[in-house]
Amino acid sequence: DQQVKQNSPSLSVQEGRISILNCDYTNSMFDYFLWYKKYPAEGPTFLISISSIKDKNEDGRFTVFLNKSAKHLSLHIVPSQPGDSAVYFCAASRAGGDTGTASKLTFGTGTRLQVTL
Amino acid sequence: DAGVTQSPTHLIKTRGQQVTLRCSPISGHKSVSWYQQVLGQGPQFIFQYYEKEERGRGNFPDRFSARQFPNYSSELNVNALLLGDSALYLCASSRGVYNSPLHFGNGTRLTVT
Repeated sequence: DQQVKQNSPSLSVQEGRISILNCDYTNSMFDYFLWYKKYPAEGPTFLISISSIKDKNEDGRFTVFLNKSAKHLSLHIVPSQPGDSAVYFCAASRAGGDTGTASKLTFGTGTRLQVTL
Repeated sequence: DAGVTQSPTHLIKTRGQQVTLRCSPISGHKSVSWYQQVLGQGPQFIFQYYEKEERGRGNFPDRFSARQFPNYSSELNVNALLLGDSALYLCASSRGVYNSPLHFGNGTRLTVT
């Protein structure tokens, strides 16, 4: 049962334009969401996160939007740069007050972003 | 500051053998988690340790075990290796407090032949 879904396996965007990566989840208990970027032969790198009490979080060129009613989140990258080419993973967890659940992330299958010149 | 470090980076084992993977967390991080990533999939949660106690376990068989040491480093052990255990094994650390993100190491690539 795939509780976190990234339905687009790949995305190609021109340099300077906006990249929008989407993620859907089914478990309504999830209340903390994260985006990671992964280059080949490296571990996932944390990009940005959002708590369910917010609907938007911004960090430089990266903005994450959360729509709880639709169980949908998206990552916007503006402007896209060639160095952004990587696989992007959406992840979710039940943060709660127990540190045990806070570290159990459920990941999507990833979206490969290619930023072209 | 050093990130999460894992050793070895690559490992080739034969079916039925046992393997131990090692992880050192970021300084000050008390929580260590282990994930398995197979090709084309997202990482799958295996274990989480906080303050040397197991705090969570994913849907993996008892052949998988782990521990955390007083210096917060961790080991993942896999016994009786199967071909299907071939994967990238990722270690992640965090402060272990509410909504603190996980920071991953570069992983150990395990190949079982």
